[in-house]
Amino acid sequence: GAVVSQHPSWVICKSGTSVKIECRSLDFQATTMFWYRQFPKQSLMLMATSNEGSKATYEQGVEKDKFLINHASLTLSTLTVTSAHPEDSSFYICSAREGGTGLNEKLFFGSGTQLSVL
Amino acid sequence: AQKITQTQPGMFVQEKEAVTLDCTYDTSDPSYGLFWYKQPSSGEMIFLIYQGSYDQQNATEGRYSLNFQKARKSANLVISASQLGDSAMYFCAMRGITGNQFYFGTGTSLTVIP
Repeated sequence: GAVVSQHPSWVICKSGTSVKIECRSLDFQATTMFWYRQFPKQSLMLMATSNEGSKATYEQGVEKDKFLINHASLTLSTLTVTSAHPEDSSFYICSAREGGTGLNEKLFFGSGTQLSVL
Repeated sequence: AQKITQTQPGMFVQEKEAVTLDCTYDTSDPSYGLFWYKQPSSGEMIFLIYQGSYDQQNATEGRYSLNFQKARKSANLVISASQLGDSAMYFCAMRGITGNQFYFGTGTSLTVIP
């Protein structure tokens, strides 16, 4: 199956710093990538939908200035958590799909990034 | 609006036994796809099985099968011959014809007991 690489897998940073998380589709072109946030033992919460070459679409309640998403190419999307604070500590996971319209087109997920803000 | 409900926060099963994980959904879309994903403690999401709303037969993938009852709006996952490696979180998800995104349930934590 298709492979999505997410980096880093974990990061610890000081409050006030910015953290960038990369999501790459390794063997396919991802026209759409999704960024999720997951709290311990909870479901995935969609943060934003990233389309190559256009601005990301953010879900209600997600601060676009806080969580900057860039989808500069068909194989790379980045999520930057700006001025991170302890409440931003969470598991962030990206996913991608190849771009077809079939209902059976599944999402391929990265391995996730555990962010801890001190 | 789409909604996925998983009512079992945690399940236990004896090794080699079968287990059913429940999933119900609600949608107004005429066509939709239903998915199950497995999330081990390492965090990655692993695709298990897919069922289309117009598929005549229940989907099967190895030890995984989907008990799809359209009238009841349920899509339960059946894992046969459970293995210790099946211990993980399991998420039911849906994608409708009108949208781009997937909607996930709250997940079921499965523990396989040796």
